[in-house]
Amino acid sequence: TQLLEQSPQFLSIQEGENLTVYCNSSSVFSSLQWYRQEPGEGPVLLVTVVTGGEVKKLKRLTFQFGDARKDSSLHITAAQPGDTGLYLCAGAGGTGNQFYFGTGTSLTVIP
Amino acid sequence: NAGVTQTPKFQVLKTGQSMTLQCAQDMNHNSMYWYRQDPGMGLRLIYYSASEGTTDKGEVPNGYNVSRLNKREFSLRLESAAPSQTSVYFCASSLSWGGSPLHFGNGTRLTVT
Repeated sequence: TQLLEQSPQFLSIQEGENLTVYCNSSSVFSSLQWYRQEPGEGPVLLVTVVTGGEVKKLKRLTFQFGDARKDSSLHITAAQPGDTGLYLCAGAGGTGNQFYFGTGTSLTVIP
Repeated sequence: NAGVTQTPKFQVLKTGQSMTLQCAQDMNHNSMYWYRQDPGMGLRLIYYSASEGTTDKGEVPNGYNVSRLNKREFSLRLESAAPSQTSVYFCASSLSWGGSPLHFGNGTRLTVT
């Protein structure tokens, strides 16, 4: 099992604040994805990063893949209530390049 | 376009009962998966089917069986349910095995008493 630790586990912030979520592992991944999950629904893909050091932006969300492809971060600028949800990272690796999911970060943005 | 459809949405079983969770996708994807989601543990892979006609064990296969009925459908069976199988189960599909983005259904919340 290739363990992916996410931090923080829970985060509650005011609308307009910035935040960063971290996804760390001792294993190397060929790619890493971030998903957002809302209550009662399945996770939905936000982004895929493939190259070490890669940075991708999706509106107010910035995703970075670590140089060694072992870790990643998600930065949200000026958070809005619509950003509320469970954020999951998933690294592809191991036998058959399967996905290993992180433990999740539950974000609440208070209006 | 429905994507990935799971049935049922909710189920309560008594210990020892059996049931089958159904999953169908309409995206012509080759690979399908069953995950379980438990608080603080993320999503863990139970079984997967890399392509039609094949199935393989994931991280937590004990107590489960699967059937890839055709390219669209992938079912998960609990032969003798146990309280430890209380969880939310997600079916997912992807265009191909090995790193393709996953498309998830909306889950089945299962309680075993």
